[in-house]
Order: sequence, then structure tokens, then C-alpha cells
Amino acid sequence: DQQVKQNSPSLSVQEGRISILNCDYTNSMFDYFLWYKKYPAEGPTFLISISSIKDKNEDGRFTVFLNKSAKHLSLHIVPSQPGDSAVYFCAASFTGANSKLTFGKGITLSVRP
Amino acid sequence: SAVISQKPSRDICQRGTSLTIQCQVDSQVTMMFWYRQQPGQSLTLIATANQGSEATYESGFVIDKFPISRPNLTFSTLTVSNMSPEDSSIYLCSVEEGQQRGYGYTFGSGTRLTVV
Repeated sequence: DQQVKQNSPSLSVQEGRISILNCDYTNSMFDYFLWYKKYPAEGPTFLISISSIKDKNEDGRFTVFLNKSAKHLSLHIVPSQPGDSAVYFCAASFTGANSKLTFGKGITLSVRP
Repeated sequence: SAVISQKPSRDICQRGTSLTIQCQVDSQVTMMFWYRQQPGQSLTLIATANQGSEATYESGFVIDKFPISRPNLTFSTLTVSNMSPEDSSIYLCSVEEGQQRGYGYTFGSGTRLTVV
């Protein structure tokens, strides 16, 4: 049972445009969400996170939106750059989960020059 | 943030053999996590390793297959035992940064294992 779902395996956008990466979850106990970026032959790198007490968190070009009622979050990258081309993982955890993360399958983002 | 050195970065192993993966962190951390990413799948937590106690395994993973050592606060090993082709995956270690949840987790660069 996939508790964190990234239903689109890939996304291609033009440089300078917005990239929107979506993530859905089923476990209502999740109260903390994270996005990771992964380049080939490297481990995932923490990008941005959001607590369930917020609906938006922004860090430079990256913004994460959380819609708790829909159990949905999204990562917006504006403007997209070729260096953003990577696999993006959505992850979630909950208080008392002993810091365990549950990951989605990832989305491969390609930013075209 | 913490720096994790993971090795080997990749290996090709014969079925029935075992491989030990090492992770060295440049700072002391309470918990270390071991993940597996099978081809086309998400990262799946294998176990949580605390120093001085036995690792805690997730459903579907057992100590006999994936023994873990955690001799001190900066080092851990994961052994993949009696390997079969189904064990071909990327294995990653991870640590949680900071005392607050906003810091995220740091991962090693991963070990790409191919079992033939």
C-alpha cells in the first residue's frame, strides 16, 4: 500500500517556466512533509519541508504548498533551470514515527534549455 | 550539514555471497537509517540503527538477511546476506539533521548493488 504517491513519473518544462511537481498521501497521521532532489549516482539531497500547521513554505525559487483536506502537496520551482533536472522525491513522516520517512516513487524533471 | 561517506559506491556480486556496506558520518548522530531503492521503486526503510542497541527492522526485513552494526555514534554497516538477484538495488544510509524537524535528512551517495 503506497502511502505517498507521485503519480506522474516524469515532467518536462521549458527553462524559465514554472515546474509543478505533485504528491498525494493517504495516511492522515502524516504531519511533516519533505522534498528531496536526486542526481544520478548521488544520494537524495534535502530541498524543502513543510509542517502540517502551515499551508505554504517558500525558499528562494522553491515553494511547497500543502492542502491537508485533499491530502495533497506540490512543489513549485520558478523559474526552472536546466540544473534542476533531477529526480524529485516527496516524503512524509508523523510525530511518534521515530523519525521514519515514507517516500514516493519520485518524478523525473527535465528542464529544456 | 553532516557529511556521509558511503562505500562501496557500487559492486557486482555472485548470488549466495554477502556484501557489507559502510557509512561514516563526520559528526555524532543518534540514529542512522538504512534504505533500499529497488529499480523503479521508492526508497524503502530497511531498519533504524541506534548506537548500543539492536537495530529496529521494518516489516518485510529481518536481521538474518540484513544484519546491521552500530559500534559508535559516527559509523554503521549494513550487510546484505546470501544475496539473490532480487537484492539488486541501491542501498543508502541516512541521518537526521539537527534537533528540530525542519532540517531534513542527509543521505550517503548510495551503493548500487547488482547480483548475478
